[in-house]
Amino acid sequence: GAVVSQHPSWVICKSGTSVKIECRSLDFQATTMFWYRQFPKQSLMLMATSNEGSKATYEQGVEKDKFLINHASLTLSTLTVTSAHPEDSSFYICSARNSLLYPGANVLTFGAGSRLTVL
Amino acid sequence: QKEVEQDPGPLSVPEGAIVSLNCTYSNSAFQYFMWYRQYSRKGPELLMYTYSSGNKEDGRFTAQVDKSSKYISLFIRDSQPSDSATYLCAMTSTGANNLFFGTGTRLTIIP
Repeated sequence: GAVVSQHPSWVICKSGTSVKIECRSLDFQATTMFWYRQFPKQSLMLMATSNEGSKATYEQGVEKDKFLINHASLTLSTLTVTSAHPEDSSFYICSARNSLLYPGANVLTFGAGSRLTVL
Repeated sequence: QKEVEQDPGPLSVPEGAIVSLNCTYSNSAFQYFMWYRQYSRKGPELLMYTYSSGNKEDGRFTAQVDKSSKYISLFIRDSQPSDSATYLCAMTSTGANNLFFGTGTRLTIIP
């Protein structure tokens, strides 16, 4: 149980285009999902908290208009990198809290990550 | 001071050795402690989860939490080359919305 699927796993795009990354909880409902960014050999950096049916909460320094998050259902959150530039190239990972498996605990299950390369 | 401190390594040990990975933290409100394993270019995978102080064992892995010292450990017995990965500690408090991660320790098991 507690599987989080992320798609695509790898995407290359041209500068100026937009890229959408999907994050799905396959066997549980996730009212809250988290989007992280990871640079090579560095730890995870929380970008935003995605709440089903409401606006995402962004961490300080993360541009809301650049990184659009939509959490339209209990099993799907999407991250759209708008007008991507080479500096947006990174590893993006989503995660969800599985309240059924770990009730009352903030234990996260992560997706496999999406590697974005902007040319 | 960072919320969570973790030695980034890298750490190299021979196959079969016991590996000890550690994190310290400053927030006494942390109650939930996790260890994640992350292979290169993959998302983190939950290895161990512990609530409050104490030990937890799962196969070759043992997690220890010492809340009085604000110190957590992960031990790997009979280490295998397949254990080569980055190990991240993470922790949080009751009702908190976010996890606090260590920087990760890169571990290599040498055959």
